[in-house]
Amino acid sequence: AQRVTQPEKLLSVFKGAPVELKCNYSYSGSPELFWYVQYSRQRLQLLLRHISRESIKGFTADLNKGETSFHLKKPFAQEEDSAMYYCALKGGSYIPTFGRGTSLIVHP
Amino acid sequence: DTGVSQDPRHKITKRGQNVTFRCDPISEHNRLYWYRQTLGQGPEFLTYFQNEAQLEKSRLLSDRFSAERPKGSFSTLEIQRTEQGDSAMYLCASSWGTSGRLVEQFFGPGTRLTVL
Repeated sequence: AQRVTQPEKLLSVFKGAPVELKCNYSYSGSPELFWYVQYSRQRLQLLLRHISRESIKGFTADLNKGETSFHLKKPFAQEEDSAMYYCALKGGSYIPTFGRGTSLIVHP
Repeated sequence: DTGVSQDPRHKITKRGQNVTFRCDPISEHNRLYWYRQTLGQGPEFLTYFQNEAQLEKSRLLSDRFSAERPKGSFSTLEIQRTEQGDSAMYLCASSWGTSGRLVEQFFGPGTRLTVL
């Protein structure tokens, strides 16, 4: 079985502060991990995936297999980062499992 | 092609009625997914098509739910004898892929179902 846990429903920070959205997973094999983002009144879209090892909009995420985590980080939050963020895991099938999401609010 | 589209965007129905939703994926995409999302939760997988073949179906999906993708293009999701617990956002996503690796999914805007 595969599971994704996002422990924080809401994360509130001020502009310029560092941000870390937590994601922990449970899967016995080698997972593929993703972060999706949904801005207000927009559709869900891919932010980044661990295999790409890329930085998108200043966000990075490192897969830590020892801690089974894939936390999303940004050193300096911007107001436009306010959105819902979903961590997702793909195991042995074609089907991803999503976490419940974390709402990020960046105050001016 | 402006992305994945879903119709209708909103549906209000009475308990016991049947409803059908449509999803038009990005035209070159061979994979199509249906998800359900309730308040405070992430998308929950319902079913998956590769071309016209329905390859996976969630065990959570009751017999009242059926999906088709007859020509490997658009897909329909039907819910028979709706219940109040079916009230949710129904999301469709599509992607292109030939291997086991999950490539980027493109989501539609969703259909919000309210069962009275």
